[in-house]
Amino acid sequence: DAKTTQPPSMDCAEGRAANLPCNHSTISGNEYVYWYRQIHSQGPQYIIHGLKNNETNEMASLIITEDRKSSTLILPHATLRDTAVYYCIFNSGGSNYKLTFGKGTLLTVNP
Amino acid sequence: GAGVSQSPSNKVTEKGKDVELRCDPISGHTALYWYRQSLGQGLEFLIYFQGNSAPDKSGLPSDRFSAERTGGSVSTLTIQRTQQEDSAVYLCASSPPTSGSVDFGPGTRLTVL
Repeated sequence: DAKTTQPPSMDCAEGRAANLPCNHSTISGNEYVYWYRQIHSQGPQYIIHGLKNNETNEMASLIITEDRKSSTLILPHATLRDTAVYYCIFNSGGSNYKLTFGKGTLLTVNP
Repeated sequence: GAGVSQSPSNKVTEKGKDVELRCDPISGHTALYWYRQSLGQGLEFLIYFQGNSAPDKSGLPSDRFSAERTGGSVSTLTIQRTQQEDSAVYLCASSPPTSGSVDFGPGTRLTVL
């Protein structure tokens, strides 16, 4: 199973950047890093993904280390609505894959 | 457009009864997944359908669990002789053929009394 390591919880002040780390030391060359989040009582929501290069979209930025063994999800200006469990996973994409979620990081954004 | 939908949103049943949970994926999505999430736990993979290929059933916890996907679209997860430990939120997800991102439904909360 694809295995990632994330801190179980983090806190962030509203308006500040939230930096969520993830270790994925067993990732192989063709596997992408994906981030999802799950707000209480809802299904998981896709945030961003990347292979080697850093990525940015309207929700977040993804920084991947050069050796690809770890990554950081950055929410540049966290709001109270960003309080959620954030999951980092990796897989090869393509037509035959399955996603394996760990326990994620509970990010609590405080006013 | 319409996202992944699931029904019912909540289901309460008695131990020993059978239940059926339904998932309507996004039109055109060839991959369909079922997960379950027990209270305070992460997501547990159950089963994966991809096009006309044989499903990956490796996550089904027992032979009381089965799933079908008819016509490459709607899927039904069936749990026979439900047990209290089956209580969880059952999440369905789908994805298009060329994208790794997955769209999740809102889930069905199953409570077995």
